[in-house]
Amino acid sequence: AQTVTQSQPEMSVQEAETVTLSCTYDTSENNYYLFWYKQPPSRQMILVIRQEAYKQQNATENRFSVNFQKAAKSFSLKISDSQLGDTAMYFCAFKGAQKLVFGQGTRLTINP
Amino acid sequence: DVKVTQSSRYLVKRTGEKVFLECVQDMDHENMFWYRQDPGLGLRLIYFSYDVKMKEKGDIPEGYSVSREKKERFSLILESASTNQTSMYLCATHDSSRGNTIYFGEGSWLTVV
Repeated sequence: AQTVTQSQPEMSVQEAETVTLSCTYDTSENNYYLFWYKQPPSRQMILVIRQEAYKQQNATENRFSVNFQKAAKSFSLKISDSQLGDTAMYFCAFKGAQKLVFGQGTRLTINP
Repeated sequence: DVKVTQSSRYLVKRTGEKVFLECVQDMDHENMFWYRQDPGLGLRLIYFSYDVKMKEKGDIPEGYSVSREKKERFSLILESASTNQTSMYLCATHDSSRGNTIYFGEGSWLTVV
């Protein structure tokens, strides 16, 4: 069964700092997709970044980048030059052939 | 724009009541999912469906059932609601033809008293 683990329940950094959120997953599938979603207080889920497992190159979206280590089944999210608006819950997600599974979430607070 | 609609945003039900949570999507997505979200536990998969009349158990199916009679509608059913089912329920759809995009509803807050 696929599982996704986020080992950091909460993190807090100062504005403009860089922060890395960790995510590990377990699967026997070879083709899958990984996602990071952001959930602000409004509760609406917002896609941050997406990675296809068959791509070796790490995905990047502006200030957001991932470190995808397929052999280690690790998918961490790096936020550079953090902003107050980055404060939210962040969820790591795995999509295999059928299931779409999420981690427990990391509550990130950016302090002014 | 793809839309995923959860018709009931806030519900209060009594213990033992039968509860229906509806999720409707306006695109032709095969895959639909129901989750519950609880603090510290993240989003836990209850049931999912990859086609009409097809359903698969997720990680926490006990106490729930689902129905998918039409492609656009995926219903979550609590046969006899209990207080430990008080939670936020989130519906999602997945489209593999558009870069594996996931679409979410706005969530349904259920309180069982």
